[in-house]
Amino acid sequence: GAVVSQHPSWVICKSGTSVKIECRSLDFQATTMFWYRQFPKQSLMLMATSNEGSKATYEQGVEKDKFLINHASLTLSTLTVTSAHPEDSSFYICSARLPSGEKTQYFGPGTRLLVL
Amino acid sequence: AQRVTQPEKLLSVFKGAPVELKCNYSYSGSPELFWYVQYSRQRLQLLLRHISRESIKGFTADLNKGETSFHLKKPFAQEEDSAMYYCALRGAGANNLFFGTGTRLTVIP
Repeated sequence: GAVVSQHPSWVICKSGTSVKIECRSLDFQATTMFWYRQFPKQSLMLMATSNEGSKATYEQGVEKDKFLINHASLTLSTLTVTSAHPEDSSFYICSARLPSGEKTQYFGPGTRLLVL
Repeated sequence: AQRVTQPEKLLSVFKGAPVELKCNYSYSGSPELFWYVQYSRQRLQLLLRHISRESIKGFTADLNKGETSFHLKKPFAQEEDSAMYYCALRGAGANNLFFGTGTRLTVIP
């Protein structure tokens, strides 16, 4: 159980375009999802916490107008990179937390974004 | 401020040898500590958490509050243990995880 999917798994786009990444919890409802960013050979850095039905909580230094997060349902959160630039190229990973009990985070497979 | 330090980026051991992946943390309260593992071309997955005090795949980790450490140990490494290992911390009452930079373990046959 507790599977999290991401779509797409990779995307290449031109500079200035917007890219939407979806994160879905397949077999459980997730009131809280998390978006991380990972640069090559570096650790996962939390970007924001996505709460179903409310605004996301962004970490310091993350531009909320740049990285739009929508958590419209208990199984789906989306991250939209607006007006993407080459420096936004990275590996974006989402996780979803079980709503009760151990509150373990389950991670998606990640989305590799390359902005040309 | 919270911090998780994994001093070794790379660690190689021979099959059957003991392995220890180091993790030190900095946090003012009582955190929860976790080890996550990422096998080649797979997603990040939870290996173990300190409050469970369990052994998973032969790995154990003990939280040492005096030394602020949570080292991951296994007495006899196997080839299938080769992976990227991340130590992570969750603050008291917090939702999110704070990750270390990871250690890539290679078990040499």
